[in-house]
Amino acid sequence: KQEVTQIPAALSVPEGENLVLNCSFTDSAIYNLQWFRQDPGKGLTSLLLIQSSQREQTSGRLNASLDKSSGRSTLYIAASQPGDSATYLCAVRPRRTNQFYFGTGTSLTVIP
Amino acid sequence: GAVVSQHPSWVICKSGTSVKIECRSLDFQATTMFWYRQFPKQSLMLMATSNEGSKATYEQGVEKDKFLINHASLTLSTLTVTSAHPEDSSFYICSASNQGGSQPQHFGDGTRLSIL
Repeated sequence: KQEVTQIPAALSVPEGENLVLNCSFTDSAIYNLQWFRQDPGKGLTSLLLIQSSQREQTSGRLNASLDKSSGRSTLYIAASQPGDSATYLCAVRPRRTNQFYFGTGTSLTVIP
Repeated sequence: GAVVSQHPSWVICKSGTSVKIECRSLDFQATTMFWYRQFPKQSLMLMATSNEGSKATYEQGVEKDKFLINHASLTLSTLTVTSAHPEDSSFYICSASNQGGSQPQHFGDGTRLSIL
C-alpha cells in the first residue's frame, strides 16, 4: 500500500522568504501527484498536478518537482505572503486506480 | 469557480439521525466520485469509491451499511450517514475528475458533521 509522508509537519516563516515543502512516497509506480491547499475548515484547492512522465510544473510563485525514482516531490513557494498561510497536502495516485493517497500535510504560517 | 459542489457545508444534529450529503460535478460528467473523511489535524482518508450505476467500493474498515452511497447520475453522488452517533462527527469531503484520470481531482468544500 502506498504511504505518503510530508515534512515538516509545520513551518513558520517571515513574509518574503522562499520555502520548500517535501513529500515522499513509498511506491514509485504512480500515475500522477497533486499538490493541494486546504484552509481551516474548508475543502481542498488544487495547486499543481504532475504526471508521472513530468519532472516539474509551475504556476505563478509555485513550482512543484517530481523525482519518481526516489519517491519524492517538492513544492517550492517563492516570495511567501501571509495569504499563503494554509495546510499543504500532497496526494499520490497509483497506477491502475483512480484513488489518491494523501500525506499528513504541512501547516504553513507566513508572518507579516 | 467551483467545479464540484458539496452540500450541506455544515450539519448539527441529534444522535440517531440520518444525514445525507450531496456531491455534484458542475460542468463535467463523473463516472467515479470519491468520499473522504478527515479528523481534526489529520489527513484525508478514503472511505469509498462511488461508481455511477453500480455499487460503491468501500475501503477496509468502513461499514457500508453505516455509510450508504448512491451514484444515480453522472453528476451526483450522495453519502448518507445512517443513525449517526457522536463518533461519526467529522469532516467529509468528496472529489471527482473528468474522464481519463489525467485531469486533476477537484474537491468539494466539505461537510462538517457534528452529532450531539
